Amino acid sequence: KQEVTQIPAALSVPEGENLVLNCSFTDSAIYNLQWFRQDPGKGLTSLLLIQSSQREQTSGRLNASLDKSSGRSTLYIAASQPGDSATYLCAVVTGANSKLTFGKGITLSVRP
Amino acid sequence: DAGVIQSPRHEVTEMGQEVTLRCKPISGHNSLFWYRQTMMRGLELLIYFNNNVPIDDSGMPEDRFSAKMPNASFSTLKIQPSEPRDSAVYFCATRGQPYEKLFFGSGTQLSVL
Repeated sequence: KQEVTQIPAALSVPEGENLVLNCSFTDSAIYNLQWFRQDPGKGLTSLLLIQSSQREQTSGRLNASLDKSSGRSTLYIAASQPGDSATYLCAVVTGANSKLTFGKGITLSVRP
Repeated sequence: DAGVIQSPRHEVTEMGQEVTLRCKPISGHNSLFWYRQTMMRGLELLIYFNNNVPIDDSGMPEDRFSAKMPNASFSTLKIQPSEPRDSAVYFCATRGQPYEKLFFGSGTQLSVL
């Protein structure tokens, strides 16, 4: 059974800092991995999707990397801003049914 | 496209009542997922449809929960009878192909008193 872990559960950083959010998964036979952002009281918004054959994806100040063999992904946020404050979740797609398994998320607070 | 549309946004009901949550997927999306989110357990997959057919309902907690997808543009999640422990945010999410992004609705905040 696939398990996805995100540690720590919460993170507080000063504005401007570059930061890395980690995601690990137990079954390396994945199709892809997605990073999502969730603002309080809202649904999840997909930020980046990395296919299993890819090593990284970039969008603006965000860069996500994937090391499938070690079961790890990182989301790098450059020059963090207060508007980046949210919960960030990763999810992997595995199995014949292409199910997504989510981590519990990292709640990020960027202090002005 | 208006995205994944869920209704109602908020539902407050009393224990024992029937609750029906609704979802309209993005046009052309073949797969539809129902998730439940709580602080304790995070996001839990309840059921997954592909081309309107239930593929995996192993996450449906009890017989009180049922889901249908009568056509490609509509799905319902029903709880009957509802209990206070069912209080959570219920999300519907859809995607086109397994290798494509998943799109979430805004969710339904359910409170069972």
